Amino acid sequence: SQQGEEDPQALSIQEGENATMNCSYKTSINNLQWYRQNSGRGLVHLILIRSNEREKHSGRLRVTLDTSKKSSSLLITASRAADTASYFCATALIQGAQKLVFGQGTRLTINP
Amino acid sequence: GAVVSQHPSWVICKSGTSVKIECRSLDFQATTMFWYRQFPKQSLMLMATSNEGSKATYEQGVEKDKFLINHASLTLSTLTVTSAHPEDSSFYICSAREDWRSEDTQYFGPGTRLTVL
Repeated sequence: SQQGEEDPQALSIQEGENATMNCSYKTSINNLQWYRQNSGRGLVHLILIRSNEREKHSGRLRVTLDTSKKSSSLLITASRAADTASYFCATALIQGAQKLVFGQGTRLTINP
Repeated sequence: GAVVSQHPSWVICKSGTSVKIECRSLDFQATTMFWYRQFPKQSLMLMATSNEGSKATYEQGVEKDKFLINHASLTLSTLTVTSAHPEDSSFYICSAREDWRSEDTQYFGPGTRLTVL
C-alpha cells in the first residue's frame, strides 16, 4: 500500500522559478528519498535524507524532513525545462526489510 | 557506476502467453533486487523482493504463481509473467541495491512496457 501522499499532484511553473513539492508519510522511517522519472523511463535517484537529518542540499535541490509532522519537501531552485518530470518521494521504513514505499508523485512541468 | 539494465524495453504478446523480463546490474553485485509495476500516471507499486539464491518475497495481493521471479546470480533477476492477460499490461520496472551500501538507495532499470493483446 502507498505510504505517502504528495502535494501537489501536478505543478506547472515558468522556467527560472522555484518548484516546491511536498510529501507526507504515515509510519516511522529510516530515511526518505526523492526520485525523478521522465515520461516512460526508469527512476533516477536524486537525494536521500536520513531520519536524524533536517535539511540537505544537492546542487539546485534542497530537501527538508520534519519527522514530527511526518513530512518532507523538495525544492528545485532556478528551474529549467529539463526539470520537467514526475518526482516521487520514497520512504525506507525502519522495519521495511530494505523496501521503499513510494508516494503518488508530483508531475512537474517547466514552461519555457 | 550503478547501472541497471532491463530487457526487453517493450514487448507485445498475445493473451495466454508467457513473457520473461530480465533485470541486470551491470557494474555491481546485487543480492537484492526489486520488481515494481506502474500503471499510467500512477506511482510504483512494489510487487516482490528478489533475493539471490532464495525465494522471492511477494507483496500482499501479488500472485507468486503468475509472476515468477528467479534471481540466479548476483547480477541477474528475471520476472516471468505467465499466462498474460490484457490486465497485466503495464510498465514493469526493476531496481537493485549495491551489496556494499548500508543505505537503501535503489538504482532503477529503464523499465519494460508490456502490452498484452
